[in-house]
Amino acid sequence: DQQVKQNSPSLSVQEGRISILNCDYTNSMFDYFLWYKKYPAEGPTFLISISSIKDKNEDGRFTVFLNKSAKHLSLHIVPSQPGDSAVYFCAATPNTGNQFYFGTGTSLTVIP
Amino acid sequence: KAGVTQTPRYLIKTRGQQVTLSCSPISGHRSVSWYQQTPGQGLQFLFEYFSETQRNKGNFPGRFSGRQFSNSRSEMNVSTLELGDSALYLCASSGGPLTDTQYFGPGTRLTVL
Repeated sequence: DQQVKQNSPSLSVQEGRISILNCDYTNSMFDYFLWYKKYPAEGPTFLISISSIKDKNEDGRFTVFLNKSAKHLSLHIVPSQPGDSAVYFCAATPNTGNQFYFGTGTSLTVIP
Repeated sequence: KAGVTQTPRYLIKTRGQQVTLSCSPISGHRSVSWYQQTPGQGLQFLFEYFSETQRNKGNFPGRFSGRQFSNSRSEMNVSTLELGDSALYLCASSGGPLTDTQYFGPGTRLTVL
């Protein structure tokens, strides 16, 4: 039962353009959401997070948007750079026991 | 501050064998979680330990077990290995200032022949 879903396995974007990665969840108890980036042969690295009390969080080129009513979050990368090419995972937690639920990942390729 | 370390990085075993993987969390972190990553399945949660106690458990068979020591280091054991156990096993620790953020190790790539 996949409670966090990333329906796009891959995405290609031109350098300098915006990358939008999407994530949907089913569990209304989730109240904290995170994005991780993963390069080959490395573990995922934390990118940005958002609490359910907010609808937007920004950190440099990365912005995460949360739409609780739609149970949807998205990660915007502006401008996209070739070094952003990686697999991006979204994750969610109900914050009641430190159990995190991950999506299946979206492979982003930024074309120079 | 040193990150999460996992040993070994690569492992090849045959069906029926058992394997033990090790994870050392970031200093001061008391929670350690284990995940299995396979193509198309994302990260599947195995279990989480906190202060030497299993606090959460995912939907994996009993062949998968773990433990945590008093220094927060954790081990994961898989007995009677099956071909389908071939995966990247990731360990993550949390408990620093950002308690809701997990920090991952590089993983152990297990291949079962």
